[in-house]
Amino acid sequence: EDQVTQSPEALRLQEGESSSLNCSYTVSGLRGLFWYRQDPGKGPEFLFTLYSAGEEKEKERLKATLTKKESFLHITAPKPEDSATYLCAATMTTDSWGKLQFGAGTQVVVTP
Amino acid sequence: DADVTQTPRNRITKTGKRIMLECSQTKGHDRMYWYRQDPGLGLRLIYYSFDVKDINKGEISDGYSVSRQAQAKFSLSLESAIPNQTALYFCATSEPGQRNTGELFFGEGSRLTVL
Repeated sequence: EDQVTQSPEALRLQEGESSSLNCSYTVSGLRGLFWYRQDPGKGPEFLFTLYSAGEEKEKERLKATLTKKESFLHITAPKPEDSATYLCAATMTTDSWGKLQFGAGTQVVVTP
Repeated sequence: DADVTQTPRNRITKTGKRIMLECSQTKGHDRMYWYRQDPGLGLRLIYYSFDVKDINKGEISDGYSVSRQAQAKFSLSLESAIPNQTALYFCATSEPGQRNTGELFFGEGSRLTVL
């Protein structure tokens, strides 16, 4: 069964304390792996797409990496404004773009 | 103004009532989606439409129906609402096929409570 699992469920960080979020996927064939950010009361906002193992993408303090079984979202020297729920999602090769299978998310709180 | 607008933002209704959630977009995208978000379960796809004449069921379509009234409008209906349809509903859009990178553009959500 195709599945996307995120860990941990919640993460509390001090400002400047770097950490990583994990997204493991078991899908028959991966077309794309996505990371989204979701603020309370808002819709998810796109961060990255990764297409193949070994690929890395960066945006400000965030860096996403992909292996054949999992993806990591590294948060370097986080600031309070990085507090959000981070969602991982995957599209299988048998599906069309837009048909995403989401993980449950990791809620990140960064305290000053 | 938001590119993807959902109405209503919040709705409380009773079991058995018919409910319609509406979505309109100004992004000019052909592809539109309805997702449902439940705590601990992530977002799940209900229905999607790649153009006005193309509507497809997603992972959890039972108890829901949709209407694509125009390129810019995609509505989700609950014919007879039940309590386990209490959730946060999101509409999303994406670029058409050849320009599609998989990125979805989400509305701000419609919170539905069924008593």
